[in-house]
Amino acid sequence: NAGVTQTPKFQVLKTGQSMTLQCAQDMNHNSMYWYRQDPGMGLRLIYYSASEGTTDKGEVPNGYNVSRLNKREFSLRLESAAPSQTSVYFCASNWQANTEAFFGQGTRLTVV
Amino acid sequence: KQEVTQIPAALSVPEGENLVLNCSFTDSAIYNLQWFRQDPGKGLTSLLLIQSSQREQTSGRLNASLDKSSGRSTLYIAASQPGDSATYLCAVLYGGATNKLIFGTGTLLAVQP
Repeated sequence: NAGVTQTPKFQVLKTGQSMTLQCAQDMNHNSMYWYRQDPGMGLRLIYYSASEGTTDKGEVPNGYNVSRLNKREFSLRLESAAPSQTSVYFCASNWQANTEAFFGQGTRLTVV
Repeated sequence: KQEVTQIPAALSVPEGENLVLNCSFTDSAIYNLQWFRQDPGKGLTSLLLIQSSQREQTSGRLNASLDKSSGRSTLYIAASQPGDSATYLCAVLYGGATNKLIFGTGTLLAVQP
């Protein structure tokens, strides 16, 4: 009964370092999403994957890459972290467009 | 541009009061609208989902309405409790070529005992 699982929960990076945020869902959902949440800005869509094998840019894709590894997993990569990428990152999924979206617990990333 | 706006940004009410949170969106071509709750430092918990063909959904003390023609949704919370204190977010799933969920900035609710 895991739902959407994100790893890690917390991470501190130095400017210029790279890392990958992992997301996996066990609900057989087709669509998966990556968001960032910043104070006063709400959640902003970084990338999404409407189905396995497809990915598309959201509102704020610059500085990020994604991989839909298979139906279960959708990873977010920061190639060269910047302080502006300090944020809380959320992964979400839903089965199809008109169904409920489920969220992971978030990854709190600090770039120093 | 597809945008979602929530008013007010913050709300404080005494325990037991009924309250309404507002959400407006700019594009009526939506698949659905979803209300979430977020506790400090936590993830999002889904409260209610309204399909584009529906006018309202109810769950316990919560009632959400949808008026596509005016681009508005409301979340009504009856007999508020201190445990209802959280940030409430609405999100719109737009269809067509985008198929992406767009969030409002949320309303921070404090229910005073």
